[in-house]
Amino acid sequence: GAVVSQHPSRVICKSGTSVKIECRSLDFQATTMFWYRQFPKQSLMLMATSNEGSKATYEQGVEKDKFLINHASLTLSTLTVTSAHPEDSSFYICSARWGQGITDTQYFGPGTRLTVL
Amino acid sequence: GENVEQHPSTLSVQEGDSAVIKCTYSDSASNYFPWYKQELGKGPQLIIDIRSNVGEKKDQRIAVTLNKTAKHFSLHITETQPEDSAVYFCAASIQAAGNKLTFGGGTRVLVKP
Repeated sequence: GAVVSQHPSRVICKSGTSVKIECRSLDFQATTMFWYRQFPKQSLMLMATSNEGSKATYEQGVEKDKFLINHASLTLSTLTVTSAHPEDSSFYICSARWGQGITDTQYFGPGTRLTVL
Repeated sequence: GENVEQHPSTLSVQEGDSAVIKCTYSDSASNYFPWYKQELGKGPQLIIDIRSNVGEKKDQRIAVTLNKTAKHFSLHITETQPEDSAVYFCAASIQAAGNKLTFGGGTRVLVKP
C-alpha cells in the first residue's frame, strides 16, 4: 500500500506557541490530503481537506485561523496549530488520497501526539 | 450529512473464533466503505474496502459485506489471533464528492489467547 509519513510523531509545547505538523506521501503524489483530530478513545473527526495549490476546506466548527493548512506540493501538506492551548492537545492524523475511480482510497499517516502545557 | 453508526463498541472473542462488526449509514449516495484497524498510538491502517457495485469482498481471514438496500455493511474476521486485537473503524464516503470519510465510533476488539 501507499506510505504516508508525519513529522513530528510527538510534540510538547507551552501554551501560546505555534506548532507545525508535516504530512508527506512518500511513494505517490496526492492532490488531496485530509487532516483529522482524535481525542482519547474517540473516533476520527475530519478537520479539513487540503488541496494542492488551493485553499483548504474546513469542516464546520473548525477555526481556519487557528489551524492553518498549506498544501505546497503534491507530496506535502502542513498543519500549523497557532497559539496552542491545552484544549488543543490531541492526536492529529493526516491521510492522503490515492488512486482514481475504483482504486480511489485514503492512506493514513502514523499520527502526531500534541501536548500543550 | 452522512452519519455512520458502529456496533458493538467493544468485542471480546476467544482466539480462533470469529468476530463480526456492523455499521449502518444514513446517506444512500455513499458508495465507498473502507475498514481501518488502529493499534494503540498509531494511525489507522486500511485493511479492506468495498464499493457499492459489490456485495461482498474477501481477503484471507477478512471479509466485508454490503447491503445497499438496508444501508449497512459488516466486517467479518475469521480464525481470530491475538494480533487482531485493536480498534476497528468503519467509514463511508461519496467518492465523486471528494471522498470525505465519515467514521463510525469504533469497535475495540480483544482476542483472548
